Amino acid sequence: AQSVAQPEDQVNVAEGNPLTVKCTYSVSGNPYLFWYVQYPNRGLQFLLKYITGDNLVKGSYGFEAEFNKSQTSFHLKKPSALVSDSALYFCAVRDFILTGGGNKLTFGTGTQLKVEL
Amino acid sequence: EPEVTQTPSHQVTQMGQEVILRCVPISNHLYFYWYRQILGQKVEFLVSFYNNEISEKSEIFDDQFSVERPDGSNFTLKIRSTKLEDSAMYFCASNGNSPLHFGNGTRLTVT
Repeated sequence: AQSVAQPEDQVNVAEGNPLTVKCTYSVSGNPYLFWYVQYPNRGLQFLLKYITGDNLVKGSYGFEAEFNKSQTSFHLKKPSALVSDSALYFCAVRDFILTGGGNKLTFGTGTQLKVEL
Repeated sequence: EPEVTQTPSHQVTQMGQEVILRCVPISNHLYFYWYRQILGQKVEFLVSFYNNEISEKSEIFDDQFSVERPDGSNFTLKIRSTKLEDSAMYFCASNGNSPLHFGNGTRLTVT
């Protein structure tokens, strides 16, 4: 079964500093990986995805993620953090649904990012 | 930008009662999903729906749960006889040939 792991429950970083939120994956075949962000009392918002191509994927709000096949990782990064980036971040991997197509996501446990002044 | 909308935002019900959670997916999307998030825990897949039938469901989605697309726009999740452990945020999602788009969720509280 496909799975992702987020080893950190919380990441604290000062505003203006680079941030990294870690994710490792375990899949059979090629991974389809995603990052979503959740603000309080809101749904999950898509940030970026990796399917094929460049290992560095750029997404919304200045976020990027680096796919590393040898380390089976897909860490989320941002060069300069903002207080408004404080939220819950989820890594996810896509499972194809064989019947009728479509896909489902298997999420990690989430990492709370706290950016302080 | 089109959004997935969910109603109500918060639903309180007594144990044993039936609840229906409503969703309006993005209009040109073909695939619909329900996920749930128990407080402080990860987001879990419940069910996917395509072409007016369930295409996959998780072990959480037992006989107490059902989904329906009663018309061309709504997508509903029914819990027939709620239990305390059904208390969670329930998220509807949809997609076409795109990443999943999630609604803001319905917080279900079973007392």
